[in-house]
Amino acid sequence: AQKVTQAQTEISVVEKEDVTLDCVYETRDTTYYLFWYKQPPSGELVFLIRRNSFDEQNEISGRYSWNFQKSTSSFNFTITASQVVDSAVYFCALSGSGNNRKLIWGLGTSLAVNP
Amino acid sequence: EPEVTQTPSHQVTQMGQEVILRCVPISNHLYFYWYRQILGQKVEFLVSFYNNEISEKSEIFDDQFSVERPDGSNFTLKIRSTKLEDSAMYFCASSESDGAYYEQYFGPGTRLTVT
Repeated sequence: AQKVTQAQTEISVVEKEDVTLDCVYETRDTTYYLFWYKQPPSGELVFLIRRNSFDEQNEISGRYSWNFQKSTSSFNFTITASQVVDSAVYFCALSGSGNNRKLIWGLGTSLAVNP
Repeated sequence: EPEVTQTPSHQVTQMGQEVILRCVPISNHLYFYWYRQILGQKVEFLVSFYNNEISEKSEIFDDQFSVERPDGSNFTLKIRSTKLEDSAMYFCASSESDGAYYEQYFGPGTRLTVT
């Protein structure tokens, strides 16, 4: 069975702090995909990143970076120099390949960045 | 930039009534999905649709639910007899066909309130 665990339900930081959101996944698939989505207070789901199981390179996009480690089944997300606009719920999700494309979601981490 | 649209943004209905939630996926996408998010909870997969048929559905997607692609653009979710517990945000998503890059793009959601 596939499962995504986001152990941190809420995180509160002060602006300009770095913050890491943890994501641990379980799957028996050899090919799978990991995602992060952002849900701001307005409610929409904003795609941030996709990683496939064969690509363990870390990725950096501006203040965002992602650390994928198959050995620990983790796909952590770091925001550097956080800003108030980063306040949102962040979801980690997992999908298989082929016909198994549904997204399995973690419970989300609510991030509050305070001025 | 192409986007997924959903109507209405908010639907209020009485228990037992039928509702139809509408989605217009991105035009060249071939996979379509419905997810729901009960307030404050995680996002849950309902159903995926490809080549004019359901490719996968969750245990939530019982006989009260149905999906349809009545024309070349719309993708609808029908709930035949709504229950109080159907109150949630319903998200439509679409993705391209095969290949490594098939992240799901989400619409803004329809908030369904069953009274």
